Amino acid sequence: DADVTQTPRNRITKTGKRIMLECSQTKGHDRMYWYRQDPGLGLRLIYYSFDVKDINKGEISDGYSVSRQAQAKFSLSLESAIPNQTALYFCATSDPRGFLSTDTQYFGPGTRLTVL
Amino acid sequence: GQNIDQPTEMTATEGAIVQINCTYQTSGFNGLFWYQQHAGEAPTFLSYNVLDGLEEKGRFSSFLSRSKGYSYLLLKELQMKDSASYLCAVRDGGMRFGAGTRLTVKP
Repeated sequence: DADVTQTPRNRITKTGKRIMLECSQTKGHDRMYWYRQDPGLGLRLIYYSFDVKDINKGEISDGYSVSRQAQAKFSLSLESAIPNQTALYFCATSDPRGFLSTDTQYFGPGTRLTVL
Repeated sequence: GQNIDQPTEMTATEGAIVQINCTYQTSGFNGLFWYQQHAGEAPTFLSYNVLDGLEEKGRFSSFLSRSKGYSYLLLKELQMKDSASYLCAVRDGGMRFGAGTRLTVKP
């Protein structure tokens, strides 16, 4: 079983629609992240959460919101989707007490979102 | 600015050695990571450097010079399955990724 799962894996939607992407993890990590990946731009951080009561904006949070429902769940919402939010979205988790205390991030399989 | 730069594409031959460079600018350095990403898949962790020097892990090695803002990933005995993108990432409070280097290994 995958440690970090994302649903849906693919989604096509229309401009103006509200979309929620979900992430679940069984790694027991406190820290969770949402990134988007665009060709030529690499991964960019949208939001991150270091525990259930902690939410922080990343590099490109405008147009997005998040909810940390539990240690294992972190959802990303697009309140009113627009075409330039078409991208590959990744969830990641980390544990600063884990592997050599490097706080290495472990990524989910990604959600490919297309906004028409 | 705070940039992370790496070559866009590289090509190498099966069995050879390839070095992928990464330069970075940051106001607060707390570690450099290399990830491998096959097309359409999630990035997977390869290596981590926080002190200057070389870290070796099987066919892969990573080097860091903090004073120069420079790292490289060295891949030895290249295999066809090594064809992938390689992402350099710097932790400086948050985590910032370079755009990635797409490596193609040819027979």
